[in-house]
Amino acid sequence: QSALTQPPSASGSPGQSVTISCTGTSSDVGDYTYVSWYQHHPGKAPKLLISEFTMRPSGVPDRFSGSKSGNTASLTVSGLQAEDEADYYCISWKTKLFGGGTKLTVL
Amino acid sequence: EVQLLESGGGLVQPGGSLRLSCAASGFTFSNHWMDWVRQAPGKGLEWVASIRQDGTTKYYVDSVEGRFTISRDNAQNSLWLQMSSLRAEDTAMYYCAREGRGNFDFWGQGTLVTVSS
Repeated sequence: QSALTQPPSASGSPGQSVTISCTGTSSDVGDYTYVSWYQHHPGKAPKLLISEFTMRPSGVPDRFSGSKSGNTASLTVSGLQAEDEADYYCISWKTKLFGGGTKLTVL
Repeated sequence: EVQLLESGGGLVQPGGSLRLSCAASGFTFSNHWMDWVRQAPGKGLEWVASIRQDGTTKYYVDSVEGRFTISRDNAQNSLWLQMSSLRAEDTAMYYCAREGRGNFDFWGQGTLVTVSS
């Protein structure tokens, strides 16, 4: 089984929007409901951002949104803020394999 | 407030053993699957092990199968990871995580395990 594929890095200026992709296969992302996204600031506990592709837990700003198209899940961060600079991970619950992570830089 | 507090990490020689603990509070521990997730230095997150609410079902990533044992005590609101035959590649920050509906909805701050001679 292969981990999900994420771009290693992404960047944007404050106020802009950035989308991070998470590509799997028809056996995981394409065929299963539970893909979630996590934000991880180094040295801190990872935080759940999005579950079931699009659901945002209470307390997560609506600047964070999720979507799915075919075998690819996506996380969009709108209105970038300095504190959004972190590592972001997706996971397919079917396999419990994480993506490789994307380091988001706010320019 | 949900809290997960890991402990037990440290420096251990290759081939050695270590037992990690996770103290849970702020929720009904016995209602949730619990997991361990790790992050090696400079690497991404990796799921390590899961345990069912009553402790009867356990799953492991292939690389730790037969060497690590996950366990829990619902009366003590505690989760453990017994690690043996440790290898350099087991060096990582180990996180305790609570399962929600198809996700890890709460995480601890982690405990660092270093395997080195």
